[in-house]
Amino acid sequence: NAGVTQTPKFRVLKTGQSMTLLCAQDMNHEYMYWYRQDPGMGLRLIHYSVGEGTTAKGEVPDGYNVSRLKKQNFLLGLESAAPSQTSVYFCASSYSGGSSYNSPLHFGNGTRLTVT
Amino acid sequence: RKEVEQDPGPFNVPEGATVAFNCTYSNSASQSFFWYRQDCRKEPKLLMSVYSSGNEDGRFTAQLNRASQYISLLIRDSKLSDSATYLCVVNIPTDSWGKLQFGAGTQVVVTP
Repeated sequence: NAGVTQTPKFRVLKTGQSMTLLCAQDMNHEYMYWYRQDPGMGLRLIHYSVGEGTTAKGEVPDGYNVSRLKKQNFLLGLESAAPSQTSVYFCASSYSGGSSYNSPLHFGNGTRLTVT
Repeated sequence: RKEVEQDPGPFNVPEGATVAFNCTYSNSASQSFFWYRQDCRKEPKLLMSVYSSGNEDGRFTAQLNRASQYISLLIRDSKLSDSATYLCVVNIPTDSWGKLQFGAGTQVVVTP
């Protein structure tokens, strides 16, 4: 009954360091997403994937890379962390996401990242 | 103009009262609408989908007004546990895939 699991839950990085956030879902969803949430701005889409082996840029992709080598996993990488990337990161998955209809999102618990 | 806009609040509501708030969207082709609830420092959770004819789930009622391009959420008989931020989510059709656009949220504070 895990749903969407994110690791780690918290992380502090120094500017220039790199890290990978892992997202795993056990609902056999095709679509997976990475969002960041900053105060007063709502959730913004970083990257998304419509299936295993596919990735695409969202609203704020700069400074991030992603990979979806397995259907159940979606990795978010920060190659050279910057203070502007201090945020709460949420992974989500959904059953479908056609051009005119999207099914609801299921979220992970979030990762709180601080870059100093 | 933002694609999805919400009044940030806070809406301070006495326990037992009714509160309602709206969310406006800019894309007339949007077809999917949702309300999510987010507690402080937690992940958003689906509260309810919003259907064309309006729908109710217990004390919560969601309405869609396509002509004026907004959705609404009404909470009756507010409980202290209803204190949260309510996120409006609207799909924005694109040529290849529909993205889900989040509003910044409306904060509701239910007081004893």
